[in-house]
Amino acid sequence: LAKTTQPISMDSYEGQEVNITCSHNNIATNDYITWYQQFPSQGPRFIIQGYKTKVTNEVASLFIPADRKSSTLSLPRVSLSDTAVYYCLVNTGGFKTIFGAGTRLFVKA
Amino acid sequence: KAGVTQTPRYLIKTRGQQVTLSCSPISGHRSVSWYQQTPGQGLQFLFEYFSETQRNKGNFPGRFSGRQFSNSRSEMNVSTLELGDSALYLCASSLDGGSTYNEQFFGPGTRLTVL
Repeated sequence: LAKTTQPISMDSYEGQEVNITCSHNNIATNDYITWYQQFPSQGPRFIIQGYKTKVTNEVASLFIPADRKSSTLSLPRVSLSDTAVYYCLVNTGGFKTIFGAGTRLFVKA
Repeated sequence: KAGVTQTPRYLIKTRGQQVTLSCSPISGHRSVSWYQQTPGQGLQFLFEYFSETQRNKGNFPGRFSGRQFSNSRSEMNVSTLELGDSALYLCASSLDGGSTYNEQFFGPGTRLTVL
């Protein structure tokens, strides 16, 4: 199973764009990259998923380079409510999901 | 559509007791996974059930067990509770679970405290 590495924490200010990079050097051909967001005392919430290049939805963008050994979650114009832990996961069929330590994002006013 | 529900939301037990947690997945979802979350170890995968069969298992002792019913509802049991079992137990459901493209929907969790 591919292991992921993310920064432990990041600080930002309201209105800024935040980019969180995750490395997954051992990603397999069939693996997808998924990001989740978790607020305290709640279950994680799906943000975005991709396989290669760029994926965008109403919440975030996900950039994946050609070698797929890393990915970057981009949150445009963050607000205080985006303060949370963000997890990068690599999914493989068979569904044994491994969460890493996550990145604690703190957005300041 | 109703989300994933977990009962009870909070539970206090003493060492040596056993506990059963319940999870009702989103209607139509056949895969249910269980996770344990603690400040020290983070989110750890316990097991995953699909069509009443355990398909995947994490690295937890045999005291942790689960099952899934024909309506996809799942229960998780922990026997002979230890202080270290105090955690937030999360249940997640997804349509299939076997596909690589899968979104898991998490419940609010059950906060278990072992005294």
